[in-house]
Amino acid sequence: AQSVTQPDARVTVSEGASLQLRCKYSYSATPYLFWYVQYPRQGLQLLLKYYSGDPVVQGVNSFEAEFSKSNSSFHLQKASVHWSDSAVYFCALSPPCVCSWQLIFGSGTQLTVMP
Amino acid sequence: EAGVTQSPRYAVLQEGQAVSFWCDPISGHDTLYWYQQPRDQGPQLLVYFRDEAVIDNSQLPSDRFSAVRPKGTNSTLKIQSAKQGDTATYLCASRGTGAYEQYFGPGTRLTVL
Repeated sequence: AQSVTQPDARVTVSEGASLQLRCKYSYSATPYLFWYVQYPRQGLQLLLKYYSGDPVVQGVNSFEAEFSKSNSSFHLQKASVHWSDSAVYFCALSPPCVCSWQLIFGSGTQLTVMP
Repeated sequence: EAGVTQSPRYAVLQEGQAVSFWCDPISGHDTLYWYQQPRDQGPQLLVYFRDEAVIDNSQLPSDRFSAVRPKGTNSTLKIQSAKQGDTATYLCASRGTGAYEQYFGPGTRLTVL
């Protein structure tokens, strides 16, 4: 069965610090992988996506993520966070062989950036 | 290009009442999804359409839930006789033909008292 695990429910960092949000997936092959961000009272916004090729993908607002097949991981990173990055971050996978492109989400990580 | 719009943004009901949620996807997107997001959890797929056809509604939690997309554009999700366990945010998303990404609306936050 496919699943996504985000082991850290809450992460707090200081403004200007580096950030890593962890994501582990379970799937029999290489899925399509996504990171979404959800600001309060808003829908989900796509940060970045991985389909194939270079395991390091760049996204909006200087976010990047690294895919690791050996570790079944897709961690999100940012070199220097800003207070406006405070939000909930969701990792998701989509099985590439299923025509629905259904998204399977992790439980999310609440990021708080302290000024 | 306008994004996915949803209404209402909030709904508060007593148990046993009915409620409908409305979604207008991005123009030209043929695939529409409804997700349920309980508090402090990730979204979970309820149902999805391609044009006006229901492709998969197997994850609707009960027969109290129904969804339609009669003209292949706007969609309505309805809950008959709501229960406290239905308290959640209901998200609509759409996807264009051949694309991988889904675009989400702001959601409807439902509270059942």
